[in-house]
Amino acid sequence: SQQGEEDPQALSIQEGENATMNCSYKTSINNLQWYRQNSGRGLVHLILIRSNEREKHSGRLRVTLDTSKKSSSLLITASRAADTASYFCATFSGSRLTFGEGTQLTVNP
Amino acid sequence: SAVISQKPSRDICQRGTSLTIQCQVDSQVTMMFWYRQQPGQSLTLIATANQGSEATYESGFVIDKFPISRPNLTFSTLTVSNMSPEDSSIYLCSVGSWGGQETQYFGPGTRLLVL
Repeated sequence: SQQGEEDPQALSIQEGENATMNCSYKTSINNLQWYRQNSGRGLVHLILIRSNEREKHSGRLRVTLDTSKKSSSLLITASRAADTASYFCATFSGSRLTFGEGTQLTVNP
Repeated sequence: SAVISQKPSRDICQRGTSLTIQCQVDSQVTMMFWYRQQPGQSLTLIATANQGSEATYESGFVIDKFPISRPNLTFSTLTVSNMSPEDSSIYLCSVGSWGGQETQYFGPGTRLLVL
């Protein structure tokens, strides 16, 4: 199966709530990244965490990485309707960036 | 970060025809990438295009079906040849940061529907 499997596939929450998305992968990596895609448009890079890091913050985003479990999570705090999008994890390994299946997040106003 | 534009933004094509998608970057970059995103799915890398050399295709993609040009450091084209409905997808170009592909900046995509 594909590197970068995400869970859940879809998530619906109310504005102001926190959203957590998970990503699992199979091989060793140099780093793991999260991207956002609005309505089938281009992807926007959100955050990168290196294999020797365990946690990283950027604004309302918090990413964790557990290399022993080959998993990562993306937490979006105090969600807004504008956060509605698809979120993809992507692993970078051996000069190759491989995308997961994505989580569709819907934030209801 | 790089600013990337794509043309066309969307198109509806008849089966058996070909479509060329253009990707323009506002700065010179070594590596450009072409991805396909089938409906409701993730991104799959089609090929890597370096200026002055042949594109490198991923498993399952061939030059006859997806010819790529890379005439200079700011521009590339992807042609989807002899299209069938299975080619209906979003096609995205991207460039790597710092000259590599560790972090990528994406164009807005070309939404293709083949009838």
